[in-house]
Amino acid sequence: NAGVTQTPKFQVLKTGQSMTLQCAQDMNHNSMYWYRQDPGMGLRLIYYSASEGTTDKGEVPNGYNVSRLNKREFSLRLESAAPSQTSVYFCASSANRGDGYTFGSGTRLTVV
Amino acid sequence: QKEVEQDPGPLSVPEGAIVSLNCTYSNSAFQYFMWYRQYSRKGPELLMYTYSSGNKEDGRFTAQVDKSSKYISLFIRDSQPSDSATYLCAIRINTGKLIFGQGTTLQVKP
Repeated sequence: NAGVTQTPKFQVLKTGQSMTLQCAQDMNHNSMYWYRQDPGMGLRLIYYSASEGTTDKGEVPNGYNVSRLNKREFSLRLESAAPSQTSVYFCASSANRGDGYTFGSGTRLTVV
Repeated sequence: QKEVEQDPGPLSVPEGAIVSLNCTYSNSAFQYFMWYRQYSRKGPELLMYTYSSGNKEDGRFTAQVDKSSKYISLFIRDSQPSDSATYLCAIRINTGKLIFGQGTTLQVKP
């Protein structure tokens, strides 16, 4: 019973590099989310997908893109990483939008 | 004004103490309230979920909602060192999105 799986767990990037954070859930949830967590800022929504085939911007979408590959998978892409994107990234899913979320264990990203 | 405000702490208490964690919110239309617990270097996990005003109890944990004051609380009775974590309140707004508080870091000392 894996829940929400995020890969990788840690990553160091140089400014300007690109990378994709992967997220998969095995609970047959409809909605999936990407958050970043920074000290003093709490959890901030980057993008979400209310259902397969749809994606929408959250509070801080600039510099990111997402793909809802299928019902299980929701990836987050940084096209040109910046030091301001140094953060801990969490993927979450819920049965439906507004239900309680199940979070992954996070990806710790450092951009130097 | 932020939609959800939470004192970040840190809060340090001795083992066995009663802990009170609080959040305030700005919009009286909000109806669904949650508490998440986050251990260090882990993702948040849903602890409690309440819909209406009043109290909801689950073991040593009680969630309280006061809609007239726009105030939500989480009480932990007989606190244990294993309760040491960051506690985040979350409120479901009318679009279905969850808005999280900053989180309060709690340390329970043996």
